[in-house]
Amino acid sequence: NAGVTQTPKFQVLKTGQSMTLQCAQDMNHEYMSWYRQDPGMGLRLIHYSVGAGITDQGEVPNGYNVSRSTTEDFPLRLLSAAPSQTSVYFCASSYRSLAGGVYEQYFGPGTRLTVT
Amino acid sequence: SQQGEEDPQALSIQEGENATMNCSYKTSINNLQWYRQNSGRGLVHLILIRSNEREKHSGRLRVTLDTSKKSSSLLITASRAADTASYFCAPIYNNNDMRFGAGTRLTVKP
Repeated sequence: NAGVTQTPKFQVLKTGQSMTLQCAQDMNHEYMSWYRQDPGMGLRLIHYSVGAGITDQGEVPNGYNVSRSTTEDFPLRLLSAAPSQTSVYFCASSYRSLAGGVYEQYFGPGTRLTVT
Repeated sequence: SQQGEEDPQALSIQEGENATMNCSYKTSINNLQWYRQNSGRGLVHLILIRSNEREKHSGRLRVTLDTSKKSSSLLITASRAADTASYFCAPIYNNNDMRFGAGTRLTVKP
């Protein structure tokens, strides 16, 4: 199993440009999430999904869109990049029990994004 | 805020010593998880403790949970230089979102 994969690993954008960060998992996990991590800080939840067709906002959703058309993929879209979105982005997935509980998350290697 | 809050922010110890990190949270949880992050890497899951459990062990790791105080602790015994990393707690609330605090930066000196 490849686990959680993210592409690209590095990206530089100009202000106002748009792009999609890709995330895929091959573990058949229902739960997927996106975080951003700024220097010296913990991870902040952007969006999450409890299954295909279902997404919800986390702590810092503004400026980001997500969709979940398949179990495997959970892309994150930046509609109009801003310097404040310079960060490292992590995607994660988790098994989710029938009762709805979320268990250990598996993280991808991250995408380092710089917006100039 | 629903984030876990780790304490201390930084901890420096000698190899062989024990390291204790604490986490506090605000409201009722489903479970609580601890993660490690090596510099520049993604997070790695260490241990999960359910809300009805009080203590859990995994190798040199011991996690406790006190739901009455809304707090958890992570103890690493006989620390090694390879344990140098940032450690994060993540309370899992009933709506399934998982929020991390700023973490504890642990440095283990050889």
